[in-house]
Amino acid sequence: DSGVTQTPKHLITATGQRVTLRCSPRSGDLSVYWYQQSLDQGLQFLIQYYNGEERAKGNILERFSAQQFPDLHSELNLSSLELGDSALYFCASSIHSTGSEAFFGQGTRLTVV
Amino acid sequence: GQNIDQPTEMTATEGAIVQINCTYQTSGFNGLFWYQQHAGEAPTFLSYNVLDGLEEKGRFSSFLSRSKGYSYLLLKELQMKDSASYLCAVPLKDNKLIFGAGTRLAVHP
Repeated sequence: DSGVTQTPKHLITATGQRVTLRCSPRSGDLSVYWYQQSLDQGLQFLIQYYNGEERAKGNILERFSAQQFPDLHSELNLSSLELGDSALYFCASSIHSTGSEAFFGQGTRLTVV
Repeated sequence: GQNIDQPTEMTATEGAIVQINCTYQTSGFNGLFWYQQHAGEAPTFLSYNVLDGLEEKGRFSSFLSRSKGYSYLLLKELQMKDSASYLCAVPLKDNKLIFGAGTRLAVHP
């Protein structure tokens, strides 16, 4: 158990819908990363927050947004969902904003039908 | 820009040694991570190298050469449970933590 909690574990929704994925980082970790992993693909960096502020942005679609709350949990919002958004979404947390080990949650498997 | 290259697939025999290479090109350097990921599961941390040389941790060792932009993960006494993807990752100066596509290792009896 990495100490990073993601909910829900599985999500099935229809095209055009909006979903929210939630991540609680390890106790003491200030940094949260979000990644997308499509079937048999690598981890694609989406966005990073550190202590409530956005620190780095990857190839995140405009339909996607995220935030980190004062209690350091983070949410990833995916809207106007398309079939191609079906993937595993991982959250990871680390102590520092860079250069420290990132611990991954078990992921949310999103299926868009 | 930045780029991380790893072989796509490797196979090895139980009990053997395998070396998984990673080359990277980044505008800055702040260390290199190796992670293991079993299919459908979360990546788990294996090692972090920031200085040149070999870091040994049980059956797994990781090597780094900053001048060559090169790292490898060495797995000894392979076990069937070592069948997994091995991901090389580099934290960039702008705080992004970028992963290579991963090397899928199949260990055969």
